[in-house]
Amino acid sequence: DTGVSQNPRHKITKRGQNVTFRCDPISEHNRLYWYRQTLGQGPEFLTYFQNEAQLEKSRLLSDRFSAERPKGSFSTLEIQRTEQGDSAMYLCASSLFSGEGELFFGEGSRLTVL
Amino acid sequence: GENVGLHLPTLSVQEGDNSIINCAYSNSASDYFIWYKQESGKGPQFIIDIRSNMDKRQGQRVTVLLNKTVKHLSLQIAATQPGDSAVYFCAETLNSGNTPLVFGKGTRLSVIA
Repeated sequence: DTGVSQNPRHKITKRGQNVTFRCDPISEHNRLYWYRQTLGQGPEFLTYFQNEAQLEKSRLLSDRFSAERPKGSFSTLEIQRTEQGDSAMYLCASSLFSGEGELFFGEGSRLTVL
Repeated sequence: GENVGLHLPTLSVQEGDNSIINCAYSNSASDYFIWYKQESGKGPQFIIDIRSNMDKRQGQRVTVLLNKTVKHLSLQIAATQPGDSAVYFCAETLNSGNTPLVFGKGTRLSVIA
Protein backbone atom coordinates (compact mmCIF):
# COMPACT_ATOMS: atom_id res chain seq x y z
CA ASP A 1 0.00 0.00 0.00
CA THR A 2 1.60 3.29 -1.09
CA GLY A 3 -0.94 5.62 0.46
CA VAL A 4 -0.66 7.76 3.58
CA SER A 5 -0.24 5.59 6.65
CA GLN A 6 -1.17 6.58 10.18
CA ASN A 7 -0.73 4.81 13.47
CA PRO A 8 -2.04 3.98 15.87
CA ARG A 9 -5.52 3.89 14.36
CA HIS A 10 -7.11 4.11 17.79
CA LYS A 11 -5.79 5.40 21.08
CA ILE A 12 -7.61 5.51 24.39
CA THR A 13 -5.89 7.40 27.15
CA LYS A 14 -6.58 8.96 30.50
CA ARG A 15 -6.72 12.70 30.93
CA GLY A 16 -3.31 14.14 31.64
CA GLN A 17 -1.36 11.51 29.71
CA ASN A 18 0.77 12.24 26.65
CA VAL A 19 0.06 10.66 23.29
CA THR A 20 1.95 10.58 20.02
CA PHE A 21 0.67 9.84 16.54
CA ARG A 22 2.78 8.98 13.54
CA CYS A 23 2.15 9.69 9.87
CA ASP A 24 4.02 8.25 6.92
CA PRO A 25 3.16 10.24 3.80
CA ILE A 26 3.30 9.15 0.18
CA SER A 27 7.02 8.87 -0.44
CA GLU A 28 7.52 11.53 -3.09
CA HIS A 29 5.25 14.09 -1.39
CA ASN A 30 7.07 17.03 0.13
CA ARG A 31 4.08 18.55 1.93
CA LEU A 32 2.52 16.99 4.99
CA TYR A 33 -0.57 18.26 6.83
CA TRP A 34 -2.27 17.52 10.12
CA TYR A 35 -6.00 18.05 10.52
CA ARG A 36 -8.37 17.34 13.36
CA GLN A 37 -11.93 16.19 12.87
CA THR A 38 -14.71 15.90 15.44
CA LEU A 39 -18.04 14.17 14.88
CA GLY A 40 -20.31 16.08 12.56
CA GLN A 41 -17.62 18.54 11.48
CA GLY A 42 -15.27 18.92 8.57
CA PRO A 43 -11.53 18.52 9.09
CA GLU A 44 -9.88 21.51 10.78
CA PHE A 45 -6.36 22.49 9.80
CA LEU A 46 -3.72 22.19 12.53
CA THR A 47 -0.31 22.52 10.89
CA TYR A 48 1.71 21.67 7.82
CA PHE A 49 5.25 21.02 6.70
CA GLN A 50 7.14 21.45 3.51
CA ASN A 51 9.95 18.96 3.73
CA GLU A 52 11.19 19.35 7.33
CA ALA A 53 10.10 22.98 7.74
CA GLN A 54 6.90 23.67 9.65
CA LEU A 55 5.37 26.47 7.59
CA GLU A 56 2.14 27.24 9.38
CA LYS A 57 0.35 26.46 12.63
CA SER A 58 -3.30 27.06 13.32
CA ARG A 59 -4.46 28.95 16.39
CA LEU A 60 -6.19 25.66 17.25
CA LEU A 61 -2.76 24.22 17.98
CA SER A 62 -2.25 25.00 21.65
CA ASP A 63 1.16 24.79 23.29
CA ARG A 64 0.29 21.25 24.40
CA PHE A 65 0.50 20.17 20.77
CA SER A 66 3.76 19.75 18.93
CA ALA A 67 4.47 18.34 15.50
CA GLU A 68 7.73 17.38 13.91
CA ARG A 69 8.96 16.12 10.60
CA PRO A 70 12.65 15.70 11.34
CA LYS A 71 13.93 14.30 8.06
CA GLY A 72 11.23 15.52 5.76
CA SER A 73 9.64 12.10 5.61
CA PHE A 74 7.39 10.80 8.41
CA SER A 75 5.85 13.16 10.94
CA THR A 76 4.76 12.88 14.56
CA LEU A 77 2.05 14.79 16.38
CA GLU A 78 2.37 14.80 20.15
CA ILE A 79 -0.30 15.96 22.56
CA GLN A 80 0.86 16.57 26.12
CA ARG A 81 -1.37 16.54 29.18
CA THR A 82 -4.37 15.42 27.17
CA GLU A 83 -7.79 16.84 27.93
CA GLN A 84 -11.21 15.40 27.13
CA GLY A 85 -11.66 18.11 24.51
CA ASP A 86 -8.74 16.61 22.59
CA SER A 87 -10.87 13.59 21.72
CA ALA A 88 -11.11 13.61 17.95
CA MET A 89 -9.89 12.00 14.77
CA TYR A 90 -6.42 13.24 13.81
CA LEU A 91 -5.97 13.12 10.06
CA CYS A 92 -2.70 13.32 8.20
CA ALA A 93 -2.50 14.24 4.54
CA SER A 94 0.29 14.72 2.04
CA SER A 95 0.69 16.42 -1.30
CA LEU A 96 3.26 17.24 -3.89
CA PHE A 97 3.95 20.95 -3.95
CA SER A 98 2.99 21.72 -7.50
CA GLY A 99 0.30 24.34 -7.27
CA GLU A 100 -2.44 21.73 -7.13
CA GLY A 101 -4.15 21.58 -3.78
CA GLU A 102 -5.27 17.95 -3.79
CA LEU A 103 -4.42 16.31 -0.49
CA PHE A 104 -4.18 12.56 -0.04
CA PHE A 105 -5.47 11.61 3.38
CA GLY A 106 -4.66 8.73 5.65
CA GLU A 107 -7.30 6.77 7.54
CA GLY A 108 -6.80 8.85 10.66
CA SER A 109 -5.90 8.20 14.29
CA ARG A 110 -8.88 8.24 16.62
CA LEU A 111 -8.10 9.62 20.09
CA THR A 112 -10.41 9.08 23.04
CA VAL A 113 -9.49 10.84 26.28
CA LEU A 114 -11.28 9.47 29.33
CA GLY B 1 -17.51 1.25 11.20
CA GLU B 2 -17.18 4.71 12.57
CA ASN B 3 -19.90 7.28 11.95
CA VAL B 4 -18.25 10.32 10.41
CA GLY B 5 -21.08 12.79 10.74
CA LEU B 6 -23.92 12.27 13.20
CA HIS B 7 -25.60 15.64 12.91
CA LEU B 8 -24.91 16.70 9.37
CA PRO B 9 -27.46 17.85 6.82
CA THR B 10 -28.66 14.75 5.04
CA LEU B 11 -29.70 14.22 1.46
CA SER B 12 -31.57 11.02 0.66
CA VAL B 13 -31.90 9.96 -2.96
CA GLN B 14 -33.17 6.92 -4.81
CA GLU B 15 -30.62 4.77 -6.51
CA GLY B 16 -30.33 5.86 -10.12
CA ASP B 17 -31.46 9.42 -9.49
CA ASN B 18 -29.17 12.43 -9.72
CA SER B 19 -27.86 14.05 -6.53
CA ILE B 20 -27.01 17.68 -5.97
CA ILE B 21 -24.97 18.64 -2.93
CA ASN B 22 -24.51 22.31 -2.16
CA CYS B 23 -21.82 24.24 -0.34
CA ALA B 24 -21.43 27.88 0.60
CA TYR B 25 -17.78 28.79 0.91
CA SER B 26 -16.48 31.53 3.13
CA ASN B 27 -13.64 33.43 1.49
CA SER B 28 -14.25 35.47 -1.66
CA ALA B 29 -10.50 35.38 -2.31
CA SER B 30 -10.42 31.57 -2.55
CA ASP B 31 -9.35 30.48 -5.99
CA TYR B 32 -9.26 26.69 -5.83
CA PHE B 33 -11.95 24.33 -4.62
CA ILE B 34 -12.13 20.61 -4.05
CA TRP B 35 -14.90 18.17 -3.25
CA TYR B 36 -14.03 15.27 -0.96
CA LYS B 37 -15.97 12.12 -0.10
CA GLN B 38 -15.59 10.53 3.32
CA GLU B 39 -16.89 7.07 4.15
CA SER B 40 -17.25 5.85 7.71
CA GLY B 41 -13.91 5.04 9.30
CA LYS B 42 -11.90 6.43 6.41
CA GLY B 43 -10.09 9.60 5.54
CA PRO B 44 -11.49 12.05 2.98
CA GLN B 45 -11.04 11.03 -0.66
CA PHE B 46 -10.63 13.47 -3.56
CA ILE B 47 -13.53 13.59 -6.01
CA ILE B 48 -13.10 16.62 -8.24
CA ASP B 49 -11.59 20.10 -8.19
CA ILE B 50 -12.20 23.41 -9.90
CA ARG B 51 -10.31 26.66 -10.22
CA SER B 52 -11.95 30.05 -9.87
CA ASN B 53 -11.42 30.88 -13.54
CA MET B 54 -13.96 28.16 -14.39
CA ASP B 55 -17.63 27.82 -13.55
CA LYS B 56 -18.09 24.17 -14.42
CA ARG B 57 -15.99 21.05 -14.52
CA GLN B 58 -17.03 17.51 -15.32
CA GLY B 59 -15.60 14.21 -14.24
CA GLN B 60 -16.86 10.70 -14.41
CA ARG B 61 -20.48 10.86 -13.21
CA VAL B 62 -19.70 14.05 -11.26
CA THR B 63 -19.94 17.72 -12.13
CA VAL B 64 -18.88 20.68 -10.02
CA LEU B 65 -20.44 24.09 -10.52
CA LEU B 66 -18.95 27.27 -9.12
CA ASN B 67 -20.81 30.54 -8.66
CA LYS B 68 -18.34 33.11 -7.38
CA THR B 69 -20.95 35.86 -7.23
CA VAL B 70 -22.75 34.16 -4.37
CA LYS B 71 -19.79 32.05 -3.15
CA HIS B 72 -21.54 28.79 -3.91
CA LEU B 73 -20.34 25.39 -5.04
CA SER B 74 -22.39 22.39 -5.99
CA LEU B 75 -21.55 18.78 -6.68
CA GLN B 76 -23.81 16.86 -9.01
CA ILE B 77 -23.65 13.08 -9.04
CA ALA B 78 -25.35 11.37 -11.96
CA ALA B 79 -27.10 8.03 -11.58
CA THR B 80 -26.38 7.82 -7.86
CA GLN B 81 -25.28 4.40 -6.64
CA PRO B 82 -25.28 2.82 -3.17
CA GLY B 83 -21.50 3.19 -3.12
CA ASP B 84 -21.95 6.96 -3.26
CA SER B 85 -23.37 6.95 0.28
CA ALA B 86 -20.92 8.98 2.34
CA VAL B 87 -20.32 12.43 3.78
CA TYR B 88 -19.29 15.03 1.20
CA PHE B 89 -17.18 18.07 2.03
CA CYS B 90 -16.26 21.05 -0.05
CA ALA B 91 -12.89 22.65 0.62
CA GLU B 92 -11.41 25.97 -0.45
CA THR B 93 -7.94 27.41 -0.62
CA LEU B 94 -6.02 30.48 -1.72
CA ASN B 95 -3.04 30.92 -3.99
CA SER B 96 -3.92 28.03 -6.27
CA GLY B 97 -3.59 25.46 -3.54
CA ASN B 98 -0.49 26.76 -1.83
CA THR B 99 -2.30 27.48 1.41
CA PRO B 100 -3.97 24.81 3.53
CA LEU B 101 -7.44 23.67 2.56
CA VAL B 102 -10.35 24.94 4.63
CA PHE B 103 -13.20 22.45 4.80
CA GLY B 104 -16.92 23.13 5.00
CA LYS B 105 -19.29 21.32 7.35
CA GLY B 106 -20.31 18.47 5.06
CA THR B 107 -23.47 16.81 3.81
CA ARG B 108 -24.41 13.18 4.33
CA LEU B 109 -25.68 11.47 1.20
CA SER B 110 -27.85 8.39 1.73
CA VAL B 111 -28.74 6.34 -1.30
CA ILE B 112 -31.94 4.33 -1.07
CA ALA B 113 -31.75 1.09 -3.02
